[in-house]
Amino acid sequence: DAGVIQSPRHEVTEMGQEVTLRCKPISGHNSLFWYRQTMMRGLELLIYFNNNVPIDDSGMPEDRFSAKMPNASFSTLKIQPSEPRDSAVYFCASSLGSGRINQPQHFGDGTRLSIL
Amino acid sequence: SQKIEQNSEALNIQEGKTATLTCNYTNYSPAYLQWYRQDPGRGPVFLLLIRENEKEKRKERLKVTFDTTLKQSLFHITASQPADSATYLCALDASQAGTALIFGKGTTLSVSS
Repeated sequence: DAGVIQSPRHEVTEMGQEVTLRCKPISGHNSLFWYRQTMMRGLELLIYFNNNVPIDDSGMPEDRFSAKMPNASFSTLKIQPSEPRDSAVYFCASSLGSGRINQPQHFGDGTRLSIL
Repeated sequence: SQKIEQNSEALNIQEGKTATLTCNYTNYSPAYLQWYRQDPGRGPVFLLLIRENEKEKRKERLKVTFDTTLKQSLFHITASQPADSATYLCALDASQAGTALIFGKGTTLSVSS
């Protein structure tokens, strides 16, 4: 079975450029999560969607970050303009249920983002 | 705000011994806890879930306990193997705060042969 698919796996870009990260959740899962992982702060929830609707975006650092889920099989996380402090590994995860229920989350292998 | 701490950043043990990892939390009463394993360059992988009314959960060589009085979960790997070397993350249910899971920073386990 296909798991959560993220692209690209690696992204290196210069400060000020727009960055778009992509995620395809597991078919049938109706909750989708975007996380950021750094050594200093660990794994932080940025935003999560249920049935394509954003439920909690309190973890989105600032207006430079935006996320969309136009349909059940695709989501994007965009950073514009990017800054060096945005460098991190970004994970997408999906699960069954509303996200508030006790369901396991299935993670992709992440996008390693480096902003120069 | 909710705070979740894993006892140490790194744990080194010998093959065959039992590894015990600790997860402590404050300012919250989660309905459940989850444990995940993360290998370098990969996303976390779900291992076990334990609910607040369960004292203990087992899966093969893994055992998780949940003490809501102490606000602590313990994660045990018995008869540890070098292949168990990875980072282990605990995550607590944060639905009372209107969000999903909150993750600890993890404990990196190294099992030497």
